[in-house]
Amino acid sequence: GAGVSQSPRYKVAKRGQDVALRCDPISGHVSLFWYQQALGQGPEFLTYFQNEAQLDKSGLPSDRFFAERPEGSVSTLKIQRTQQEDSAVYLCASSSQAFSYNEQFFGPGTRLTVL
Amino acid sequence: TQLLEQSPQFLSIQEGENLTVYCNSSSVFSSLQWYRQEPGEGPVLLVTVVTGGEVKKLKRLTFQFGDARKDSSLHITAAQPGDTGLYLCAGGRSGGYNKLIFGAGTRLAVHP
Repeated sequence: GAGVSQSPRYKVAKRGQDVALRCDPISGHVSLFWYQQALGQGPEFLTYFQNEAQLDKSGLPSDRFFAERPEGSVSTLKIQRTQQEDSAVYLCASSSQAFSYNEQFFGPGTRLTVL
Repeated sequence: TQLLEQSPQFLSIQEGENLTVYCNSSSVFSSLQWYRQEPGEGPVLLVTVVTGGEVKKLKRLTFQFGDARKDSSLHITAAQPGDTGLYLCAGGRSGGYNKLIFGAGTRLAVHP
């Protein structure tokens, strides 16, 4: 497939568990973004990577959230000690260049439910 | 804090009707993008506007960026059931990467 893929599509976790969400961006895309979309809301920015460098993590809600992109392609968003307020859809988007106005291509998201 | 306010939140209309969705902010953005999101999928870009006063047309959809680059509108002519979905506006800041600030969205339902 040529699009952005995310796995798993659905994740149910018990409160306190750790989870890892994977994003496979479009091949060759320099920029990678993670967003959190709560029910009935628009996506909210979490973090940004340019290749393997995490240039902006200002949107991460707490130090329980950690993201990496070690080889500049696949990215993983990890949430430690999940809480109920972490329940949301986590969207990954990639873009071919690092400049403004470039189209971001979104994956289908991972729906996380914390019980 | 929602920097971009969208209205209305919900819109239910009959096929063939016209509609306008608004996206307003007190902040200036260097660009404004409109996305459409279907259930279970990520947002898909419809258009990007970057110049104050700019108008872009995409078939039956007309997008406008306000002169002061603080607001935008999306007008759909003769809506069809296939237009049903969540419409999101997103503002971008100048310089560097395109970090987007999204509105909460307008959920549109077009009934045959």
